[in-house]
Amino acid sequence: NAGVMQNPRHLVRRRGQEARLRCSPMKGHSHVYWYRQLPEEGLKFMVYLQKENIIDESGMPKERFSAEFPKEGPSILRIQQVVRGDSAAYFCASSLGTQETQYFGPGTRLLVL
Amino acid sequence: QKEVEQNSGPLSVPEGAIASLNCTYSDRGSQSFFWYRQYSGKSPELIMFIYSNGDKEDGRFTAQLNKASQYVSLLIRDSQPSDSATYLCAVRKGLTGGGNKLTFGTGTQLKVEL
Repeated sequence: NAGVMQNPRHLVRRRGQEARLRCSPMKGHSHVYWYRQLPEEGLKFMVYLQKENIIDESGMPKERFSAEFPKEGPSILRIQQVVRGDSAAYFCASSLGTQETQYFGPGTRLLVL
Repeated sequence: QKEVEQNSGPLSVPEGAIASLNCTYSDRGSQSFFWYRQYSGKSPELIMFIYSNGDKEDGRFTAQLNKASQYVSLLIRDSQPSDSATYLCAVRKGLTGGGNKLTFGTGTQLKVEL
């Protein structure tokens, strides 16, 4: 399967713990995007990365959230000290290049207890 | 005003009918327009994209774009029960507008009834 891969698919954390979400883009894609979908809400852009660079983080909360896309390995979205309001579906998308179509992964559903 | 607006529905159509889904956007700098389908509990799946004014057809799907009216629509012909899902409209600005990100509407829920 050459699609976007995300893991874990489901993640349960207690308040105050850290959550790490991983995304492997489609083969050949070097552009990665993270979106969040809160219950009953639309998808909201969080961050756009290329290998080793954050290009646009205008949708990232100012605190507790960070993202990286290292030279080797998957992109990581990290949420420190999770709170209940972080419970959501987090989707990763990838594209072949700038302004190319974005294809979504299956998502990680985060539940904070 | 929301950047991308969609009627949340649900929109109910009988099997075999044409479903018409609508979307308006506020930023005239938007250049690319996308329709994604999302089944409950699943990820968005690209249905169509359109960049130019007019119609674009792909099988049972037709996307229509009117930049002057800031309006984009999706028509689904011969609707099937398997088309029942939430349809998300997304827009993207041009590169010079600082845009690679997609801005989504909240989606329209479509129900195709037997």
